[in-house]
Amino acid sequence: SQQGEEDPQALSIQEGENATMNCSYKTSINNLQWYRQNSGRGLVHLILIRSNEREKHSGRLRVTLDTSKKSSSLLITASRAADTASYFCATGGRYDTDKLIFGTGTRLQVFP
Amino acid sequence: NAGVTQTPKFQVLKTGQSMTLQCAQDMNHNSMYWYRQDPGMGLRLIYYSASEGTTDKGEVPNGYNVSRLNKREFSLRLESAAPSQTSVYFCAVGTSSYNEQFFGPGTRLTVL
Repeated sequence: SQQGEEDPQALSIQEGENATMNCSYKTSINNLQWYRQNSGRGLVHLILIRSNEREKHSGRLRVTLDTSKKSSSLLITASRAADTASYFCATGGRYDTDKLIFGTGTRLQVFP
Repeated sequence: NAGVTQTPKFQVLKTGQSMTLQCAQDMNHNSMYWYRQDPGMGLRLIYYSASEGTTDKGEVPNGYNVSRLNKREFSLRLESAAPSQTSVYFCAVGTSSYNEQFFGPGTRLTVL
């Protein structure tokens, strides 16, 4: 069964705007990861946040984690058309070797 | 370095036919995974292998078998294909650091 649920399912914005995607999960986690999938391709790892971290940045990406609410958000600032893709959160269990459980994804469309 | 490779890229089968999907990695990681991706369902884990010589069932193993031939290769076999197995199949390799995963390009399988 799905652990992560992304919200919204789909998002359309103009270039230059910010895009925010949310992920909620059900059980205790060790870490939460975000992946991007371009149409017809495999997933690509974007960023990982550990359960003892609250915020992390990587370039135009900002991830927050609220373990009390069992939720995370991914913010993409100053979006570009090349950011058009599906974005998935994945949760990892208590141990590094635990399987990842992926959510259903958010489809982001960035119009030029 | 090729990373994670999958063959074939596309395949059409008739109901009842068998086939093997191949996955190989040159990243020297222990963990390997097979997922299927269906519209609106995100990624679901079929089987995984934590190390050479071990395999375990994931969320949706019925109708599939796997073989971890060596550290590099992890194959997925459909013994008697069914239309419900029409999907895109992804192989992934997991690192020892929080199980960050690297994905292959996928195999698009259609069962008629």
